[in-house]
Amino acid sequence: EAQVTQNPRYLITVTGKKLTVTCSQNMNHEYMSWYRQDPGLGLRQIYYSMNVEVTDKGDVPEGYKVSRKEKRNFPLILESPSPNQTSLYFCASSFQGANEKLFFGSGTQLSVL
Amino acid sequence: SQQGEEDPQALSIQEGENATMNCSYKTSINNLQWYRQNSGRGLVHLILIRSNEREKHSGRLRVTLDTSKKSSSLLITASRAADTASYFCATDARDMRFGAGTRLTVKP
Repeated sequence: EAQVTQNPRYLITVTGKKLTVTCSQNMNHEYMSWYRQDPGLGLRQIYYSMNVEVTDKGDVPEGYKVSRKEKRNFPLILESPSPNQTSLYFCASSFQGANEKLFFGSGTQLSVL
Repeated sequence: SQQGEEDPQALSIQEGENATMNCSYKTSINNLQWYRQNSGRGLVHLILIRSNEREKHSGRLRVTLDTSKKSSSLLITASRAADTASYFCATDARDMRFGAGTRLTVKP
């Protein structure tokens, strides 16, 4: 089944403890992206990647890192999480880029205490 | 900055009625897409309309695009309780930008 898989679904952590949210797609998509969703603000893009080893900042990249070493994986790294990064995170992918239909993961609800 | 802005923020209707949501955007686009999100879940693609198209249909969905006004509308006809969800428009610009969404409630 074609899908975008995010893990974990829920995560509670403490300030400053490094964490990684994984994202994997099995559709051979070139484009992958991370969003955060906060009440009243909609989805805001954190980082995106047009292909392997090609990443770029979105609207809210501060405090996040990403890597794209393989086409299928696009992990989101929080080196030193802070409470303002408490949010619902989504990974998404498409075949070639922003002009195309995005496939979304089920989301990761992160709470930073 | 958010590219798409949905209006209204919330909409409540009875089952069987039509629901219309609007989206405005600021810059030139290649296409505009509509997505649906059930509470807290991932977004699901509904329909894509290209900048050279004016109207597109998919089942009970009808999308219009007016590039001169930089606006789009999503019409859901004969709504059902299962249509209760948030609806987002997204434009491509440099990369995909989403609005804050319209929360649709369809009462049985």
